[in-house]
Amino acid sequence: AAGVIQSPRHLIKEKRETATLKCYPIPRHDTVYWYQQGPGQDPQFLISFYEKMQSDKGSIPDRFSAQQFSDYHSELNMSSLELGDSALYFCASSDGHHEQFFGPGTRLTVL
Amino acid sequence: AQTVTQSQPEMSVQEAETVTLSCTYDTSENNYYLFWYKQPPSRQMILVIRQEAYKQQNATENRFSVNFQKAAKSFSLKISDSQLGDTAMYFCAFMTTSGSARQLTFGSGTQLTVLP
Repeated sequence: AAGVIQSPRHLIKEKRETATLKCYPIPRHDTVYWYQQGPGQDPQFLISFYEKMQSDKGSIPDRFSAQQFSDYHSELNMSSLELGDSALYFCASSDGHHEQFFGPGTRLTVL
Repeated sequence: AQTVTQSQPEMSVQEAETVTLSCTYDTSENNYYLFWYKQPPSRQMILVIRQEAYKQQNATENRFSVNFQKAAKSFSLKISDSQLGDTAMYFCAFMTTSGSARQLTFGSGTQLTVLP
């Protein structure tokens, strides 16, 4: 069965640079969630989209933005990167029911 | 806002034995979902089991079962016949069913080690 795809899997950036993370949900899933998991932490909700519209917002910094495109894939754009942004970023998708399927994550390292 | 508490940062169990991981939560809502996710060293988040709050019957999935006590706001996970592959971080998570928000709120996790 198809799963959630995230790219890239690993990303290394310098401070103050910009990063773009991509998420391709499971086919026919219309909802995408982004989570950030810092080292030794639990995942924290950042933002979600339903049918290409932002549906909810969590603890997402103003330096971050995201959108969901017509093909339902989503991108998380991160600017002015800080050392504290180093984390594992998960995307999860859902078909409107109460189960979220997680992608493998993108490990972002900010040097 | 909902909070999820896992008071056991680390636990260990001998292979083939049974272990119970604890989780409590706080919410003013009546309808919600609770989940246990497993995160092995690969860091993939894997759904283990889910429980609908309106169901009195405890969910079971093969060797995994929950003890859901709604009045006490408790949601523990029991793993029977533990296997080496069960070694992972286990997260308890809450999801509201009210409004449009469906994000998961996670506990801090319990690192389970299955010993040979």
